[in-house]
Amino acid sequence: AQSVTQLDSQVPVFEEAPVELRCNYSSSVSVYLFWYVQYPNQGLQLLLKYLSGSTLVKGINGFEAEFNKSQTSFHLRKPSVHISDTAEYFCAVRYSGNTPLVFGKGTRLSVIA
Amino acid sequence: KAGVTQTPRYLIKTRGQQVTLSCSPISGHRSVSWYQQTPGQGLQFLFEYFSETQRNKGNFPGRFSGRQFSNSRSEMNVSTLELGDSALYLCASRLAETNTGELFFGEGSRLTVL
Repeated sequence: AQSVTQLDSQVPVFEEAPVELRCNYSSSVSVYLFWYVQYPNQGLQLLLKYLSGSTLVKGINGFEAEFNKSQTSFHLRKPSVHISDTAEYFCAVRYSGNTPLVFGKGTRLSVIA
Repeated sequence: KAGVTQTPRYLIKTRGQQVTLSCSPISGHRSVSWYQQTPGQGLQFLFEYFSETQRNKGNFPGRFSGRQFSNSRSEMNVSTLELGDSALYLCASRLAETNTGELFFGEGSRLTVL
């Protein structure tokens, strides 16, 4: 079955430190990959997406992610986090064909002053 | 351009009742998806509609149903509510039934079942 694994349910990090949120997906066939962010009491907002082309994808708010086909990973990184980055982050994958977007269980990022 | 609009934002029901949630997609978007979000299970796919037809369905009991109207607006219904149905229900739209379409989410309808 198609699945997405976010290896860390919670990640605490100090302000201005770098952060990496890990995401692995279950298949090595063609995929379309997404990272979303959810702030409290809000819906999900797209951070970035990989559809094809360059494996390094840049998104909003200084985030970037790297698609690694051999490791079936799509880790999210930011070189220096801010308090305002505190939120829940979701990795999602859509496989070839008209299949639903499948989400990981999320990683709660807490930025500490 | 207005985003995805969900109503109501909050509601409280009791066990055995039914509930209908509404979603208006972004103008021009013809595909609407519904997700259930709970702390334990994360985001689980309910169903997706395109041009008034259900295209995909998740692994939920028949108490969960939905429909889409000709103006692309969508509703979902949950009958015979159970305590475990308490969740944030998220609606999302995309332009068309394409492989690469990202989803645009509403703010959700938070359902509490007592």
